[in-house]
Amino acid sequence: AQSVSQHNHHVILSEAASLELGCNYSYGGTVNLFWYVQYPGQHLQLLLKYFSGDPLVKGIKGFEAEFIKSKFSFNLRKPSVQWSDTAEYFCAVNSGGYQKVTFGTGTKLQVIP
Amino acid sequence: ETGVTQTPRHLVMGMTNKKSLKCEQHLGHNAMYWYKQSAKKPLELMFVYSLEERVENNSVPSRFSPECPNSSHLFLHLHTLQPEDSALYLCASSQDTGLGPFGELFFGEGSRLTVL
Repeated sequence: AQSVSQHNHHVILSEAASLELGCNYSYGGTVNLFWYVQYPGQHLQLLLKYFSGDPLVKGIKGFEAEFIKSKFSFNLRKPSVQWSDTAEYFCAVNSGGYQKVTFGTGTKLQVIP
Repeated sequence: ETGVTQTPRHLVMGMTNKKSLKCEQHLGHNAMYWYKQSAKKPLELMFVYSLEERVENNSVPSRFSPECPNSSHLFLHLHTLQPEDSALYLCASSQDTGLGPFGELFFGEGSRLTVL
């Protein structure tokens, strides 16, 4: 079965620091990749997605992610975080022929002003 | 406003109670989902309905019973639950064209369930 690993469970950064959150998945075939974000007290929402083409994907609020097929990775990055980026971030992978998405355990990001 | 509305937002029930969670989507999507979110665990897919037909039942215990009367509404009927069923239950929807890559999920804010 497909699995998704997020290596960091809790990350604390100061404002303006750079961010990289790791995500690795286990499936070797064609995948669709997602990062979702859950701000405190809010619903899960899509941050960015990769289906095909350029492996460097840009999302909302200055986030980007790079798909490295050989490493089965889809790491999330942001060059300079803000206090408002404090949230929980979930990596997700779809490898099924129908609507089936596997999520990682999430990474809680705390940005200190 | 998420486009996906879940009620109730909080529910406390005893192990012998019967209750239901409701989800309504206003996005015109044709697929709906129930996920379970527990602390320090990945989101667990419970049920998927596409065009009102159940297409995925992820080995969920029979004490959870889904119902999808139409493409806009999804219910999760609960009976004789266990304390370990306490969690945040998330409803989501998506548009499944059946032609191209799977699109994004739109989530509700969740129903926080506590089983005593």
